[in-house]
Amino acid sequence: SQQGEEDPQALSIQEGENATMNCSYKTSINNLQWYRQNSGRGLVHLILIRSNEREKHSGRLRVTLDTSKKSSSLLITASRAADTASYFCATDADTGGFKTIFGAGTRLFVKA
Amino acid sequence: GAGVSQSPRYKVAKRGQDVALRCDPISGHVSLFWYQQALGQGPEFLTYFQNEAQLDKSGLPSDRFFAERPEGSVSTLKIQRTQQEDSAVYLCASSSLAGVASSYNEQFFGPGTRLTVL
Repeated sequence: SQQGEEDPQALSIQEGENATMNCSYKTSINNLQWYRQNSGRGLVHLILIRSNEREKHSGRLRVTLDTSKKSSSLLITASRAADTASYFCATDADTGGFKTIFGAGTRLFVKA
Repeated sequence: GAGVSQSPRYKVAKRGQDVALRCDPISGHVSLFWYQQALGQGPEFLTYFQNEAQLDKSGLPSDRFFAERPEGSVSTLKIQRTQQEDSAVYLCASSSLAGVASSYNEQFFGPGTRLTVL
């Protein structure tokens, strides 16, 4: 079963708008990562946020983490058509294992 | 440099056939992961190698699934007596870190092998 659950499941916006995706997880974590998947480039790592961090930025991406609520959000600002993809959060359980647990993903469609 | 490559990219098998899926990780990457991704879902962890050692196989769904990485580089995922429910995309990922929980690792993914079992 998957630990991370993203919402919304699908999101359609106009180019230039911001897109926000949320992820919730069930157990304590070491870190949380966001990945993007599209047909052209496959699954690509976007950003990693550690459990002791609350916010992180990378270019047009902003990630927040609230460990008390076991949730994270990914904000993409000034979206572009090329941002059209599925976005997944990925975590591990804080048990020292090697298993990476992905959510079901948010499918983002950016209309030009 | 070259990324992670997988072959074949597409595989069609008749139910009951055995299949072998190959992964060539990024050169020098110690860690290697296999995932199964069903349509519309996120990747599901299958197994993890650190060099040639299979340290976690908790995600393998049945004893029909077997993975190996004998020389600590190329890995093969074998599925015996394939069933229709095995139809999925099989992803391989590698990373340079080892010995830490997976979420410390930036994983580099291959393009996947799409397996269709008829």
